[in-house]
Amino acid sequence: QVHLVQSGPEVKKPGASVKLSCKTSGYSFTTYGITWVRQAPGQGLEWMGWINSNNGITDYGWNFQGRATVTTDTSTSTAYMELRSLRSDDTAVYYCARLGLLKTLFGVVIIPDGFDIWGQGTMVTVSS
Amino acid sequence: QSALTQPPSASGSPGQTVTISCTGTNSDVGANNYVSWYQQHPDKAPKLMIYEVSKRPSGVPDRFSGSKSGNTASLTVSGLQAEDEADYYCSSYAGSNMLFGGGTKLTVL
Repeated sequence: QVHLVQSGPEVKKPGASVKLSCKTSGYSFTTYGITWVRQAPGQGLEWMGWINSNNGITDYGWNFQGRATVTTDTSTSTAYMELRSLRSDDTAVYYCARLGLLKTLFGVVIIPDGFDIWGQGTMVTVSS
Repeated sequence: QSALTQPPSASGSPGQTVTISCTGTNSDVGANNYVSWYQQHPDKAPKLMIYEVSKRPSGVPDRFSGSKSGNTASLTVSGLQAEDEADYYCSSYAGSNMLFGGGTKLTVL
């Protein structure tokens, strides 16, 4: 059975950084990508970015370029998301989710649709 | 880039059919078939209900269906059941960016 298990809650001060983990199991890690989505309290979903676990290529939402970094450790089938220069409005639940990859003539690319398996979420609170 | 536009609420009685819309632009919803819908119950992670406009993952009841016309995608829930009461979010690929709608709270009366 496929599982994505995320790290525990974090409390950070403004200006600090946070690095969250997402440990996967039940499938071949490099045959899917991992994306990160956050949800502020009482608000909707916001896409942060994703990583092609096959080749390490990343892409980020416009609000997170230069401030977020998504990485993977294929030896442990774990993805990470680091967010820097934290502000109070970064307080949110952060989710990782799995997405598909497609083999093409140009290499393996992300299928930008259908996040099919989600982690349980990690609450990050930013407060002075 | 703005979020996709969804109605904040929708409702129906058990057994009825409800449709939730998701309006974007010709740069996102209208530009490709990468439109998904997610169901989220309170304090739970989202669940994929529809992908590529109209495809259902295994395990999702066929009461849930998706469609698209121009820049507007739709999620239809037929034969409403009490457990369908949840928030629903659409998403669309927008060329190196993924957009979500603001969410629709579906109430089963």
